[in-house]
Amino acid sequence: GENVEQHPSTLSVQEGDSAVIKCTYSDSASNYFPWYKQELGKRPQLIIDIRSNVGEKKDQRIAVTLNKTAKHFSLHITETQPEDSAVYFCAGSFQKLVFGTGTRLLVSP
Amino acid sequence: NAGVMQNPRHLVRRRGQEARLRCSPMKGHSHVYWYRQLPEEGLKFMVYLQKENIIDESGMPKERFSAEFPKEGPSILRIQQVVRGDSAAYFCASSAGGPVPETQYFGPGTRLLVL
Repeated sequence: GENVEQHPSTLSVQEGDSAVIKCTYSDSASNYFPWYKQELGKRPQLIIDIRSNVGEKKDQRIAVTLNKTAKHFSLHITETQPEDSAVYFCAGSFQKLVFGTGTRLLVSP
Repeated sequence: NAGVMQNPRHLVRRRGQEARLRCSPMKGHSHVYWYRQLPEEGLKFMVYLQKENIIDESGMPKERFSAEFPKEGPSILRIQQVVRGDSAAYFCASSAGGPVPETQYFGPGTRLLVL
């Protein structure tokens, strides 16, 4: 079945540094790759997504890159702030979302 | 524009009782997905429904769990004879659907605790 692997499981950075989270997927039919941010006790919130016909997408401090040949995609957060601290989930989708296991990002002031 | 609504937000049940979780999709959305999140874990797909149809239930346990999305009213996830291992957060998401994957927006979740 479909599988999405996500690394690292935890990531600690200093405020202002960049953070990179990487995911790989197994299902070559996947054509949509969203990233969700989940704060403690809250719902997952979409922060950025990318479709398979695009290699890179940027939204202010957040960017996502996709390599379809290698079946991996990455989230890049620049100039991190303490409020970026949360758990981040990648997902691959053909219809249903298959989630990665999450990355706990901690941004220290 | 109301987002995805779920109720109840918290549900406590004793072992053997039934749990009913409701999800109202965003206005204009006809596709509903249910996901389960165990403590400190990721989200696992359970079932994908359109109005009056189950499209994909590959993530649903074979016994005790059922889901529906009737023509009128919310989608319901029903868990019969709950056990402690059913304790989790259950999230539903909705999308507009269509030939290409659409963004899924999540509700606030129902946190089920089985005593």
